[in-house]
Amino acid sequence: DQQVKQNSPSLSVQEGRISILNCDYTNSMFDYFLWYKKYPAEGPTFLISISSIKDKNEDGRFTVFLNKSAKHLSLHIVPSQPGDSAVYFCAAANQAGTALIFGKGTTLSVSS
Amino acid sequence: EAGVAQSPRYKIIEKRQSVAFWCNPISGHATLYWYQQILGQGPKLLIQFQNNGVVDDSQLPKDRFSAERLKGVDSTLKIQPAKLEDSAVYLCASSLGIGRRVTYEQYFGPGTRLTVT
Repeated sequence: DQQVKQNSPSLSVQEGRISILNCDYTNSMFDYFLWYKKYPAEGPTFLISISSIKDKNEDGRFTVFLNKSAKHLSLHIVPSQPGDSAVYFCAAANQAGTALIFGKGTTLSVSS
Repeated sequence: EAGVAQSPRYKIIEKRQSVAFWCNPISGHATLYWYQQILGQGPKLLIQFQNNGVVDDSQLPKDRFSAERLKGVDSTLKIQPAKLEDSAVYLCASSLGIGRRVTYEQYFGPGTRLTVT
């Protein structure tokens, strides 16, 4: 039973355009959501997060949107750059200091 | 600030053999996690330590996996005997500690890629 779902295994975008990565969750007890970025042969790197009390969080080119009623969040990257090519994992937690529940990841390819 | 260190980076063993992985978390991080990432999946928690005590090991296959965190710093994860389905990347992560908002964010090491033949 997957509590965090990333239904698109891959996404291809041209450099300079917007990348939108989507994530759905089923557990209404989740109160914090995170996005991690992973390059081959490296561990996941924290990218951006959002609390359930907010609906948007922005950090430079990265913005995460949360729609609690739809149990859906999305990561927007604008403008996309070739260096953004990586696997992006959506993760959720229902309490600080507990394990993160990860989706399966979406592979983003940004072409120049 | 040094990140989470793990060794070895790669390991190939035959089924029924044993293997051990080592992790050194970020200095000052009280909470340490071991995750298993099977190809095509997201990381899944195996065990969580707070200092040198176990917080959550509900998903650890205890008949073959064991882990310890002596002195509340370094940690080792052992598999004995290994099965083919244990082939995966084993990720160690750390965070500051329970009770603070910042601890939602976990910082990962590079992982150990285990291949069981």
